[in-house]
Amino acid sequence: DTAVSQTPKYLVTQMGNDKSIKCEQNLGHDTMYWYKQDSKKFLKIMFSYNNKELIINETVPNRFSPKSPDKAHLNLHINSLELGDSAVYFCASSRRGGQGNIGELFFGEGSRLTVL
Amino acid sequence: ELKVEQNPLFLSMQEGKNYTIYCNYSTTSDRLYWYRQDPGKSLESLFVLLSNGAVKQEGRLMASLDTKARLSTLHITAAVHDLSATYFCAGRGGADGLTFGKGTHLIIQP
Repeated sequence: DTAVSQTPKYLVTQMGNDKSIKCEQNLGHDTMYWYKQDSKKFLKIMFSYNNKELIINETVPNRFSPKSPDKAHLNLHINSLELGDSAVYFCASSRRGGQGNIGELFFGEGSRLTVL
Repeated sequence: ELKVEQNPLFLSMQEGKNYTIYCNYSTTSDRLYWYRQDPGKSLESLFVLLSNGAVKQEGRLMASLDTKARLSTLHITAAVHDLSATYFCAGRGGADGLTFGKGTHLIIQP
């Protein structure tokens, strides 16, 4: 029973297209995230989101937008894809950090996006 | 803004040897995390270190935290091939989410 699941696992598309990656967690967590891992394996946070607040990393282009239909889902929509968007995108979830919560992140399997 | 630096970034070692990966961070982080990533796979949580002086061990891996020095270490004892992976440390800078180091790519050769 997968805790954090993402679809699709692989996505190959042309420049200029719009695509979405879906993420679902069944851990009952209240905060979800999107991370980007580039070809050098560097991990950078893109967004964190709970049902009250979206925090955006200021370096993320506004072509990227998170959409959350409910607290168990956080989808990533990307407009006008560019070559530099090719990467592995990881969804993660946690209980919001605070007293009694250790803030540990649980990651999905990743979605490898290739833009041609 | 929290910055996390790991070293070394690449490490090739022989089975049976001991080695340490270092993780320095730039500002106060109340917790320090270690993750493992196998090629093409997700990130697996190894340790969460919650306070100064915390030490945790799992098998051949031991992690420690010195908040005064802003340093965490991941020590590998008598390495075996199965420990080959990329290891990340991460800290919390106050806002939600973790800031990760660049990762240490560890290869353990027979």
